[in-house]
Amino acid sequence: SQQGEEDPQALSIQEGENATMNCSYKTSINNLQWYRQNSGRGLVHLILIRSNEREKHSGRLRVTLDTSKKSSSLLITASRAADTASYFCATDSRETMSGYSTLTFGKGTMLLVSP
Amino acid sequence: EADIYQTPRYLVIGTGKKITLECSQTMGHDKMYWYQQDPGMELHLIHYSYGVNSTEKGDLSSESTVSRIRTEHFPLTLESARPSHTSQYLCASSVGPKSHYEQYFGPGTRLTVT
Repeated sequence: SQQGEEDPQALSIQEGENATMNCSYKTSINNLQWYRQNSGRGLVHLILIRSNEREKHSGRLRVTLDTSKKSSSLLITASRAADTASYFCATDSRETMSGYSTLTFGKGTMLLVSP
Repeated sequence: EADIYQTPRYLVIGTGKKITLECSQTMGHDKMYWYQQDPGMELHLIHYSYGVNSTEKGDLSSESTVSRIRTEHFPLTLESARPSHTSQYLCASSVGPKSHYEQYFGPGTRLTVT
């Protein structure tokens, strides 16, 4: 079953409003990352939060992590039309046979910011 | 912009053809990945590599194969394309001994098999 699940699946807001997206996961993690994907393009890394951190900021982005609830949220403040994209959380949690871990991505939240 | 490249960007090909999707990066990253993504859906890891001559299968069973003969190059091959292979294929790379670092993604190859 999918490790990360974003909520909501889609979000439509006006420019200037804040956008909040949530991610829940099932197993313990090393870190959680958020990525952005513009339509038809590759993903771009936004922010990484480690399992021992509770909150992190980067420009207009604020990420929180609650390991007791196995959830994270991404807040985009003062949204712009250029923020329109899909946003994915990815968890780094699993050990492979070789001792390394890989990322597991959620289904994403599609954000539409209207001018 | 990340220095990771994928070619072709779009490919429409008939059933039964052999295809190779190219991925190269100029960042000297040891770790490289291939993901498959259907429209509006999550990414599924199909192959990864931790360095030259190392390849592993990912979560999603795939009929594709990969090779890693050079650090910068991680091609994916489908011996006999089928309509079920129609999807977007994303290549990524990362630095570091463990997957605790960000992944850099290429622009993707959108494959359509008719």
